Amino acid sequence: DAGVIQSPRHEVTEMGQEVTLRCKPISGHNSLFWYRQTMMRGLELLIYFNNNVPIDDSGMPEDRFSAKMPNASFSTLKIQPSEPRDSAVYFCASVLRNEQFFGPGTRLTVL
Amino acid sequence: AQRVTQPEKLLSVFKGAPVELKCNYSYSGSPELFWYVQYSRQRLQLLLRHISRESIKGFTADLNKGETSFHLKKPFAQEEDSAMYYCALSSAGGTSYGKLTFGQGTILTVHP
Repeated sequence: DAGVIQSPRHEVTEMGQEVTLRCKPISGHNSLFWYRQTMMRGLELLIYFNNNVPIDDSGMPEDRFSAKMPNASFSTLKIQPSEPRDSAVYFCASVLRNEQFFGPGTRLTVL
Repeated sequence: AQRVTQPEKLLSVFKGAPVELKCNYSYSGSPELFWYVQYSRQRLQLLLRHISRESIKGFTADLNKGETSFHLKKPFAQEEDSAMYYCALSSAGGTSYGKLTFGQGTILTVHP
């Protein structure tokens, strides 16, 4: 098993552009979490899904952020329009028996 | 409300010295506690969880419900232990869906 897969691994974009981050959870895991990691704020929970249904999106910073999980094997996090303060590493994680398995992250830089 | 506090953002020790990363929590129910580790530019990975009561890479952590703590300890630190360490809490059972409350993290640096 390749574990949780995220793409792209690195993204550099300009302010105002749309950014889409992708995540493929481990097969059979029912919950999926999106996090943002920065030096200043540490690890922040953005949103999580259970059985493809969003459970809590209270961590999503603004309306510019949206997330979907159209099926059990795919989720996206979209930022539109992006801003320099969105620069961070974005992780997704899937869950089995209360243990979270993290992806490698997407390092986003917004210029 | 659940809360996890890691009071030290940075911790430096020399190789061979004992190390203790502090974690305190607040939670009214029955918690499950974890330590996750993130090596430089790598993904977070589970180091240990209190219910397994095992030692991983020489690290141990004991849940102290009286002091609401779950400190991570290693008697002899190694350079390869340098990493970011996160303490995390989950409500055992219920409908938490595996949600974790993370502390702010502690960056451990082990000097040669």
